Amino acid sequence: GDSVTQMEGPVTLSEEAFLTINCTYTATGYPSLFWYVQYPGEGLQLLLKATKADDKGSNKGFEATYRKETTSFHLEKGSVQVSDSAVYFCALSGGSGGSNYKLTFGKGTLLTVNP
Amino acid sequence: DSGVTQTPKHLITATGQRVTLRCSPRSGDLSVYWYQQSLDQGLQFLIQYYNGEERAKGNILERFSAQQFPDLHSELNLSSLELGDSALYFCASSADRGVSYTFGSGTRLTVV
Repeated sequence: GDSVTQMEGPVTLSEEAFLTINCTYTATGYPSLFWYVQYPGEGLQLLLKATKADDKGSNKGFEATYRKETTSFHLEKGSVQVSDSAVYFCALSGGSGGSNYKLTFGKGTLLTVNP
Repeated sequence: DSGVTQTPKHLITATGQRVTLRCSPRSGDLSVYWYQQSLDQGLQFLIQYYNGEERAKGNILERFSAQQFPDLHSELNLSSLELGDSALYFCASSADRGVSYTFGSGTRLTVV
């Protein structure tokens, strides 16, 4: 079945540092890929997405490129802020074809940004 | 406000009891998905409904059931509750196929 593997946290950075959170996936079809963010005590918010190979999703300074050849969707940000402290989830949907479009999530990566 | 409404926000109940969690999808969305988030299991897909019909099942226990009503709201019923059922339960809705999902703020269930 579909699966998502993302780097284990926690990740601790200083403000303005460069961020990379690695994400790789396994899927039999042609999935859509997502990054969700969860702030403390809140629900999941879509950060960015990409629906086909070589697409780049971007939002709020975060970027991720859908790499089919390496089955990856790594999240990057050039300069993190304290307000970026949250848990980040990589996810995919539609990987197995058919009519089931459930999201399959990675385990999440806790990011803490210190001033 | 994401447009997906979950009630209640918090629920504390005793082992062996039964609870019902409610989700109202974003206007126009036909699909509802339920997820369980726990520290040890992460985010687990439970079940999906599309326009009133069950579409897919994930790691949902036999003690759990769900349904989607004609007005498209959904309920997740959890019975014979155990301590290990304590978790955050999220509902998400979508209109299109695997491109856009909106999550509710979740129901935090504590079983004591």
